[in-house]
Formats: sequence, C-alpha cells, structure tokens
Amino acid sequence: AQSVTQLDSQVPVFEEAPVELRCNYSSSVSVYLFWYVQYPNQGLQLLLKYLSGSTLVKGINGFEAEFNKSQTSFHLRKPSVHISDTAEYFCAARYSSASKIIFGSGTRLSIRP
Amino acid sequence: EAEVAQSPRYKITEKSQAVAFWCDPISGHATLYWYRQILGQGPELLVQFQDESVVDDSQLPKDRFSAERLKGVDSTLKIQPAELGDSAMYLCASSQGLSEYEQYFGPGTRLTVT
Repeated sequence: AQSVTQLDSQVPVFEEAPVELRCNYSSSVSVYLFWYVQYPNQGLQLLLKYLSGSTLVKGINGFEAEFNKSQTSFHLRKPSVHISDTAEYFCAARYSSASKIIFGSGTRLSIRP
Repeated sequence: EAEVAQSPRYKITEKSQAVAFWCDPISGHATLYWYRQILGQGPELLVQFQDESVVDDSQLPKDRFSAERLKGVDSTLKIQPAELGDSAMYLCASSQGLSEYEQYFGPGTRLTVT
C-alpha cells in the first residue's frame, strides 16, 4: 500500500542549529512529494514540492529537501533554525495512480533558545 | 492574497447532536477537499469534489457524514449524529483542478464532542 513515513514524532533543536526532518515514501514508478508546515491552530502551508527535475528542491523560509529515489526518501533540511520555525511539519506524497495526497503523521519541531 | 475561508473556527457540541462546517474555496478553484486531522496525526482525505461532483468519498463515514457542494463553489460538511471519536480538526483545501498539485488549505474547524 502507498504510504508516507515520518520516523521522528518530535525533533528538539537549539536556535541557529541545523535540522533535518526525515521522510520516507513507499516506492513507486512515479511520485510527487511535498512538505507542509502547520502552525498551532492553523491550516497547512506548502513549504516545497518535488514534481520532477532537480533532486534538490528549495522552498520558503530557507528550507530545502532532497529527493533520493534509491532510498525512497525526501528529507527536509534547514542550515540554521529560528524560534519562528516552531511548528508541525508534514511530508506528503501523491502517486500517479491516485489523485489524493497521502500525509505522514507529522514531526513536531521545537526550537530551544 | 486569496485564501480558503472556513467557519466556524471552533465548535463544541454534545454527542448525538448535529454539526455543520462551511468552506469557501479560493475563487476559480474547481477542486475542493475536506480532510479530517486527528490530534497527533496527518490529515486524512474525507471527500473530494470536482465542481459540484464527488470524485472520491471512499473514506467518508457515510452513515453519519455528508458533504455537498451544490453550486460548485462553497461546500458544507455535516455530521449527524456526532460521536466522541469525531473530535478533530476539519480542514478544507482547494486547488485549480484535479491535476493541479498544489492545494491551498483553510485555517480549519476544531471540533470537540463532549
């Protein structure tokens, strides 16, 4: 079955430190990948997306992600986090055989001053 | 900047009561989605509309949930009767079309069933 796995439910980091949020997807011939951010009591906002082309995708707020087909991963990275990055982050995938987006369970990023 | 509107933002209801949520997508967006997000989990698609037609409602508990988009613009999601397990955030999203990959989300309605 098609699925998206976020192994880390919580990631604590210090302010200005780098961070990586991990995401793995179930293998497919064709897949489109997304990262969304959700601030408390708000809807989801798209950070970045991979549809095709370059495997390194840059998004908003200084985030980037790398599509790795051999490892079926799409990890999210930021070289230096800020307090304002405190939020829940969701990885999502859309497979060519289905139109709906499948979300991971989310990773809560908490920033320590 | 155009946004997806949802109301109410918060709703508290007693079990066995009826409850309804409203969503107004971004103008011109033909595709509308309703998601349920249980605390600590990712959103799960309940129903997807293309204009006024249902494209996917395979995960909608049809014995108690209903959704409509009569004029192909705004939409209403109803639960009757509500159960304790329905407590969740209900998110509405829209996109320009079925093949459009970017979905724009509203702020959500947080439902608490007591």
